[in-house]
Amino acid sequence: EPEVTQTPSHQVTQMGQEVILRCVPISNHLYFYWYRQILGQKVEFLVSFYNNEISEKSEIFDDQFSVERPDGSNFTLKIRSTKLEDSAMYFCASRAGTAPYNSPLHFGNGTRLTVT
Amino acid sequence: AQKITQTQPGMFVQEKEAVTLDCTYDTSDQSYGLFWYKQPSSGEMIFLIYQGSYDEQNATEGRYSLNFQKARKSANLVISASQLGDSAMYFCAMREGRSNSGYALNFGKGTSLLVTP
Repeated sequence: EPEVTQTPSHQVTQMGQEVILRCVPISNHLYFYWYRQILGQKVEFLVSFYNNEISEKSEIFDDQFSVERPDGSNFTLKIRSTKLEDSAMYFCASRAGTAPYNSPLHFGNGTRLTVT
Repeated sequence: AQKITQTQPGMFVQEKEAVTLDCTYDTSDQSYGLFWYKQPSSGEMIFLIYQGSYDEQNATEGRYSLNFQKARKSANLVISASQLGDSAMYFCAMREGRSNSGYALNFGKGTSLLVTP
């Protein structure tokens, strides 16, 4: 069964550094998402991406964050200058473009980001 | 304001018993979807079941069923014949039908389920 893949599985970085989290969504999916989950807390929406542009973003997704689909397969999340509070599990997800209400999000296994 | 409320932070159930995980939601949309996901200790998010706002029948997927009560805005997950492998966090989520949205899912805080022998 096709799956969403994320790399790396764990990233450690120093405060103030830039990080890029990478995702390969399922190949025929059209909508792409980033979520984050601070340890022990709920899964929070960051951003959705469709047709090569952001379609929605949350208050968390400030100017330090950016997303890109540099080619036909990768979908990246960049954090420009990491803060301690950016430490979290970051999930990429994708879904098929049909039937918006009933198509589930397919999640990757996540990248655990630790900012020191 | 919370869109999805899961009032049970933790639940215990004995193996082979059924368990109900509660979820209430808040929306003014007529068209929306409700989803349940399972997150085992390994961390991945696994889709379990979906219920549409216009679906007249409760959704079922194997041992999972969704008790959908639209007037009460509740979408409780029922797991029948619990297994040890069902021990995990369970998240309820909703997708609303705003036309300018990316149809993102809004998650509740989750319920931690522990299945005991």
